[in-house]
Amino acid sequence: NAGVTQTPKFRVLKTGQSMTLLCAQDMNHEYMYWYRQDPGMGLRLIHYSVGEGTTAKGEVPDGYNVSRLKKQNFLLGLESAAPSQTSVYFCASSYGGRGLNQPQHFGDGTRLSIL
Amino acid sequence: SQQGEEDPQALSIQEGENATMNCSYKTSINNLQWYRQNSGRGLVHLILIRSNEREKHSGRLRVTLDTSKKSSSLLITASRAADTASYFCATDLSGSARQLTFGSGTQLTVLP
Repeated sequence: NAGVTQTPKFRVLKTGQSMTLLCAQDMNHEYMYWYRQDPGMGLRLIHYSVGEGTTAKGEVPDGYNVSRLKKQNFLLGLESAAPSQTSVYFCASSYGGRGLNQPQHFGDGTRLSIL
Repeated sequence: SQQGEEDPQALSIQEGENATMNCSYKTSINNLQWYRQNSGRGLVHLILIRSNEREKHSGRLRVTLDTSKKSSSLLITASRAADTASYFCATDLSGSARQLTFGSGTQLTVLP
């Protein structure tokens, strides 16, 4: 199993451009998450999804949109990229369900630079 | 705002020594988790400790949780160069979406 796969791995954008980051998981997990990681900081939650067709805002949602049309995929969109969105973006998934206490499984990240 | 804060921010030890990292948090939790991040990679789950547990072991890892002090510690025994990484604590605050709030991490360097 591949686990959580993120594409692309690297991207450079110009201010105002748009792009979509793709996250795919093959573990049949219900819950999926998008985080950003900035230097010297931990991960901050952007948006998350508790199932196909559902999305919700996290701690830092402004400037981002997400979609979960298929259970295995979670897309993160930047409509008009800004230099402040330069970061490393991580996708994660977890089992969800009724059981508490589930770990999250992470992809290897997308390194995004906005010029 | 950061729920979990790790201490120290950076730690450098010799191979074979033990490494201890601490995490403090602010509000009640369901569980606390520790993750490792190697340079340029994603986070890897190490261990989860529930709020009603006080200590947990996994191989060379030992985690303690003191809910009265809102703190946790991660001990890595007999460290190896391969343990060099950033370590993050994450707290699960709610029971609905399994959201985690991460601290800023401890950078551990194990010198051969």
